[in-house]
Amino acid sequence: NAGVTQTPKFQVLKTGQSMTLQCAQDMNHEYMSWYRQDPGMGLRLIHYSVGAGITDQGEVPNGYNVSRSTTEDFPLRLLSAAPSQTSVYFCASSSTSGRANGYEQYFGPGTRLTVT
Amino acid sequence: GIQVEQSPPDLILQEGANSTLRCNFSDSVNNLQWFHQNPWGQLINLFYIPSGTKQNGRLSATTVATERYSLLYISSSQTTDSGVYFCAVELGSGNTGKLIFGQGTTLQVKP
Repeated sequence: NAGVTQTPKFQVLKTGQSMTLQCAQDMNHEYMSWYRQDPGMGLRLIHYSVGAGITDQGEVPNGYNVSRSTTEDFPLRLLSAAPSQTSVYFCASSSTSGRANGYEQYFGPGTRLTVT
Repeated sequence: GIQVEQSPPDLILQEGANSTLRCNFSDSVNNLQWFHQNPWGQLINLFYIPSGTKQNGRLSATTVATERYSLLYISSSQTTDSGVYFCAVELGSGNTGKLIFGQGTTLQVKP
Protein backbone atom coordinates (compact mmCIF):
# COMPACT_ATOMS: atom_id res chain seq x y z
CA ASN A 1 0.00 0.00 0.00
CA ALA A 2 1.16 3.51 -0.79
CA GLY A 3 -0.92 4.83 2.12
CA VAL A 4 -1.88 8.51 1.80
CA THR A 5 -0.27 10.38 -1.09
CA GLN A 6 -0.30 14.12 -1.78
CA THR A 7 0.72 16.15 -4.79
CA PRO A 8 2.44 18.45 -5.34
CA LYS A 9 5.09 18.49 -2.58
CA PHE A 10 5.83 22.18 -3.11
CA GLN A 11 3.89 24.98 -4.82
CA VAL A 12 4.31 28.72 -5.21
CA LEU A 13 1.27 30.78 -6.22
CA LYS A 14 0.64 34.43 -6.85
CA THR A 15 -2.16 36.18 -4.98
CA GLY A 16 -5.46 35.55 -6.71
CA GLN A 17 -4.46 32.34 -8.48
CA SER A 18 -6.41 29.15 -7.93
CA MET A 19 -5.16 25.60 -7.63
CA THR A 20 -6.06 22.12 -6.43
CA LEU A 21 -4.08 20.08 -3.92
CA GLN A 22 -4.48 16.40 -4.59
CA CYS A 23 -4.89 13.68 -1.96
CA ALA A 24 -5.42 9.97 -2.48
CA GLN A 25 -5.46 6.92 -0.24
CA ASP A 26 -5.47 3.23 -1.11
CA MET A 27 -6.57 1.81 2.25
CA ASN A 28 -10.31 1.99 1.53
CA HIS A 29 -10.75 4.43 4.42
CA GLU A 30 -14.10 6.12 4.72
CA TYR A 31 -12.88 9.20 6.56
CA MET A 32 -10.59 11.81 5.02
CA SER A 33 -9.54 15.23 6.27
CA TRP A 34 -7.50 18.27 5.32
CA TYR A 35 -5.41 20.19 7.87
CA ARG A 36 -3.10 23.15 7.68
CA GLN A 37 -0.05 23.67 9.85
CA ASP A 38 1.40 27.11 10.44
CA PRO A 39 4.78 27.75 12.11
CA GLY A 40 4.79 27.00 15.83
CA MET A 41 1.22 25.78 15.78
CA GLY A 42 -0.59 22.52 15.80
CA LEU A 43 -2.69 21.35 12.91
CA ARG A 44 -6.06 22.97 12.23
CA LEU A 45 -8.87 21.17 10.47
CA ILE A 46 -10.04 22.75 7.18
CA HIS A 47 -12.60 20.27 5.80
CA TYR A 48 -13.41 16.63 6.34
CA SER A 49 -15.43 13.87 4.74
CA VAL A 50 -17.08 10.78 6.22
CA GLY A 51 -17.64 9.13 2.85
CA ALA A 52 -18.07 9.69 -0.86
CA GLY A 53 -20.47 12.55 -1.51
CA ILE A 54 -20.37 13.80 2.10
CA THR A 55 -18.21 16.72 3.24
CA ASP A 56 -18.32 19.22 6.07
CA GLN A 57 -16.42 22.21 7.38
CA GLY A 58 -13.74 22.16 10.03
CA GLU A 59 -12.21 24.99 12.07
CA VAL A 60 -10.80 27.11 9.22
CA PRO A 61 -12.81 26.45 6.00
CA ASN A 62 -12.86 29.95 4.47
CA GLY A 63 -11.15 30.18 1.11
CA TYR A 64 -11.17 26.43 0.48
CA ASN A 65 -13.51 24.03 -1.27
CA VAL A 66 -13.61 20.25 -1.24
CA SER A 67 -15.54 17.46 -2.91
CA ARG A 68 -15.45 13.69 -2.52
CA SER A 69 -16.63 11.84 -5.61
CA THR A 70 -14.76 8.62 -4.80
CA THR A 71 -13.60 6.87 -1.64
CA GLU A 72 -9.97 7.20 -2.72
CA ASP A 73 -9.67 10.90 -3.58
CA PHE A 74 -10.25 14.09 -1.62
CA PRO A 75 -8.93 17.19 -3.45
CA LEU A 76 -8.67 20.59 -1.77
CA ARG A 77 -9.28 23.66 -3.93
CA LEU A 78 -7.97 27.13 -3.23
CA LEU A 79 -10.36 29.49 -4.98
CA SER A 80 -8.32 32.72 -4.92
CA ALA A 81 -5.02 32.32 -3.12
CA ALA A 82 -4.05 34.83 -0.44
CA PRO A 83 -0.75 35.25 1.47
CA SER A 84 -2.59 34.11 4.62
CA GLN A 85 -2.93 30.69 3.00
CA THR A 86 0.83 30.17 3.01
CA SER A 87 1.14 27.00 5.04
CA VAL A 88 1.86 23.29 5.00
CA TYR A 89 -1.20 21.25 4.09
CA PHE A 90 -1.73 17.70 5.30
CA CYS A 91 -4.29 15.19 4.17
CA ALA A 92 -5.28 12.32 6.46
CA SER A 93 -7.49 9.27 6.37
CA SER A 94 -8.93 6.84 8.90
CA SER A 95 -11.23 3.88 8.98
CA THR A 96 -14.65 3.47 10.56
CA SER A 97 -14.00 -0.12 11.43
CA GLY A 98 -12.15 0.55 14.70
CA ARG A 99 -9.77 -2.34 14.30
CA ALA A 100 -7.18 -3.36 16.86
CA ASN A 101 -5.55 0.07 16.78
CA GLY A 102 -8.81 1.95 16.81
CA TYR A 103 -9.58 4.92 14.63
CA GLU A 104 -5.99 6.02 14.15
CA GLN A 105 -5.33 8.59 11.45
CA TYR A 106 -2.77 8.20 8.71
CA PHE A 107 -1.20 11.35 7.28
CA GLY A 108 0.23 12.14 3.88
CA PRO A 109 3.67 13.76 3.51
CA GLY A 110 2.27 17.28 3.16
CA THR A 111 2.25 20.05 0.54
CA ARG A 112 4.24 23.20 1.28
CA LEU A 113 2.40 26.15 -0.27
CA THR A 114 3.71 29.68 -0.56
CA VAL A 115 1.49 32.52 -1.77
CA THR A 116 3.29 35.70 -2.81
CA GLY B 1 -14.87 24.74 21.83
CA ILE B 2 -12.62 22.18 23.38
CA GLN B 3 -9.20 23.29 24.55
CA VAL B 4 -6.18 21.02 24.19
CA GLU B 5 -3.08 22.06 26.11
CA GLN B 6 0.27 20.35 25.97
CA SER B 7 3.21 20.71 28.31
CA PRO B 8 6.02 21.40 28.33
CA PRO B 9 6.22 23.38 25.05
CA ASP B 10 9.91 22.56 24.69
CA LEU B 11 12.11 19.84 26.11
CA ILE B 12 15.83 19.13 25.75
CA LEU B 13 17.16 15.77 26.87
CA GLN B 14 20.43 13.94 26.91
CA GLU B 15 20.34 10.62 25.09
CA GLY B 16 19.27 7.87 27.46
CA ALA B 17 17.09 10.07 29.65
CA ASN B 18 13.38 9.50 30.29
CA SER B 19 10.60 12.05 29.80
CA THR B 20 6.89 12.57 30.31
CA LEU B 21 4.75 14.73 28.04
CA ARG B 22 1.32 15.84 29.16
CA CYS B 23 -1.91 16.64 27.33
CA ASN B 24 -4.86 18.26 29.11
CA PHE B 25 -8.25 18.61 27.47
CA SER B 26 -11.24 20.62 28.58
CA ASP B 27 -14.14 18.30 27.76
CA SER B 28 -15.04 14.64 27.46
CA VAL B 29 -13.53 12.98 24.40
CA ASN B 30 -14.00 9.67 22.64
CA ASN B 31 -10.90 9.81 20.49
CA LEU B 32 -7.40 10.76 21.62
CA GLN B 33 -4.29 10.17 19.59
CA TRP B 34 -0.60 10.93 19.99
CA PHE B 35 1.51 11.80 16.95
CA HIS B 36 5.20 12.34 16.32
CA GLN B 37 6.25 14.81 13.64
CA ASN B 38 9.82 14.08 12.64
CA PRO B 39 12.30 16.77 11.57
CA TRP B 40 11.30 16.16 7.91
CA GLY B 41 7.68 16.99 8.67
CA GLN B 42 6.16 13.52 8.46
CA LEU B 43 3.39 12.82 10.98
CA ILE B 44 3.33 9.34 12.46
CA ASN B 45 0.55 8.00 14.62
CA LEU B 46 1.98 6.69 17.91
CA PHE B 47 -1.12 5.73 19.88
CA TYR B 48 -4.87 5.72 19.64
CA ILE B 49 -5.72 5.87 23.36
CA PRO B 50 -9.08 7.35 24.44
CA SER B 51 -8.61 5.61 27.80
CA GLY B 52 -6.28 3.21 29.60
CA THR B 53 -2.63 2.44 28.97
CA LYS B 54 -0.73 1.19 25.92
CA GLN B 55 2.91 0.43 25.32
CA ASN B 56 4.96 0.20 22.17
CA GLY B 57 8.64 -0.44 22.76
CA ARG B 58 10.19 2.49 24.61
CA LEU B 59 7.02 4.53 24.34
CA SER B 60 3.91 4.21 26.43
CA ALA B 61 0.79 6.31 26.91
CA THR B 62 -1.87 6.62 29.57
CA THR B 63 -5.18 8.44 29.31
CA VAL B 64 -7.30 9.16 32.38
CA ALA B 65 -10.51 10.20 30.67
CA THR B 66 -12.36 11.06 33.88
CA GLU B 67 -9.64 13.57 34.82
CA ARG B 68 -9.19 14.79 31.23
CA TYR B 69 -5.51 14.23 30.67
CA SER B 70 -3.15 11.96 28.83
CA LEU B 71 0.56 11.27 29.34
CA LEU B 72 3.17 10.08 26.86
CA TYR B 73 6.25 8.43 28.35
CA ILE B 74 9.50 8.14 26.45
CA SER B 75 12.13 5.96 28.07
CA SER B 76 15.82 5.70 27.19
CA SER B 77 15.45 8.49 24.65
CA GLN B 78 17.37 8.39 21.38
CA THR B 79 18.29 11.15 18.97
CA THR B 80 15.72 9.74 16.54
CA ASP B 81 13.02 10.64 19.07
CA SER B 82 13.60 14.33 18.30
CA GLY B 83 10.73 16.22 16.73
CA VAL B 84 7.35 17.54 17.76
CA TYR B 85 4.83 15.47 19.68
CA PHE B 86 1.15 16.30 19.28
CA CYS B 87 -1.91 15.06 21.04
CA ALA B 88 -5.25 15.38 19.27
CA VAL B 89 -8.81 14.77 20.45
CA GLU B 90 -12.26 14.49 19.00
CA LEU B 91 -15.51 15.51 20.59
CA GLY B 92 -18.84 13.85 20.32
CA SER B 93 -20.12 10.34 20.30
CA GLY B 94 -18.53 9.10 17.11
CA ASN B 95 -15.11 8.78 15.53
CA THR B 96 -14.96 10.74 12.29
CA GLY B 97 -11.31 11.77 12.23
CA LYS B 98 -12.29 15.34 13.05
CA LEU B 99 -9.37 15.98 15.36
CA ILE B 100 -8.49 19.06 17.39
CA PHE B 101 -4.72 19.31 17.93
CA GLY B 102 -2.70 20.72 20.78
CA GLN B 103 0.18 23.08 20.12
CA GLY B 104 2.76 20.33 20.50
CA THR B 105 5.86 19.61 22.57
CA THR B 106 9.15 20.09 20.74
CA LEU B 107 11.68 17.51 21.89
CA GLN B 108 15.40 17.67 21.19
CA VAL B 109 17.51 14.69 22.21
CA LYS B 110 21.23 15.42 22.30
CA PRO B 111 23.85 12.71 21.77
